[in-house]
Amino acid sequence: DAMVIQNPRYQVTQFGKPVTLSCSQTLNHNVMYWYQQKSSQAPKLLFHYYDKDFNNEADTPDNFQSRRPNTSFCFLDIRSPGLGDAAMYLCATSRGAYNEQFFGPGTRLTVL
Amino acid sequence: EDQVTQSPEALRLQEGESSSLNCSYTVSGLRGLFWYRQDPGKGPEFLFTLYSAGEEKEKERLKATLTKKESFLHITAPKPEDSATYLCAVQAPLEGSYIPTFGRGTSLIVHP
Repeated sequence: DAMVIQNPRYQVTQFGKPVTLSCSQTLNHNVMYWYQQKSSQAPKLLFHYYDKDFNNEADTPDNFQSRRPNTSFCFLDIRSPGLGDAAMYLCATSRGAYNEQFFGPGTRLTVL
Repeated sequence: EDQVTQSPEALRLQEGESSSLNCSYTVSGLRGLFWYRQDPGKGPEFLFTLYSAGEEKEKERLKATLTKKESFLHITAPKPEDSATYLCAVQAPLEGSYIPTFGRGTSLIVHP
């Protein structure tokens, strides 16, 4: 089945230790998104790519970076995680700019 | 001011007790309104897209409707497996962006 895959599902890191979260898709969608979601809150958009065109949300902290080396893969790098970065990180894709989004299962990040 | 407001924040129903969830929005130039279901610890799952006032979509016990300022997700005779958080997202031109804006969701619990 075509899908969005995120690895790892659970990530534990120490304060200040860099982490990389990965996302892959078999849907061949042009648009990929990274969201941060904290408990009982709306998903907060961090980055999105329309094909290779990178878009950084204005309020995304500099501590977060992203890479999309090809259509299928996207990575989220957190350079120096703080306690406030503990959250669920969701990757999503859509066929085009105005289409519904398909989400991966998420990566739960814990910062000790 | 939130552009997308969902109410109630939480809803408890008995199995078979029909009800409605609300998503109101203040954006102009709506391109699309999306409903998603999110189970605990998982990514959102797409349910419906609505594009214009008067449009309705149905899937099993769920029916989504749209007016010029709000959308309703009607749940008829719910079952415990309908328990989840229901998110709506509104897509409209905002500062040149097409990215959907999510509400905080309604947490639904259906008791057997």
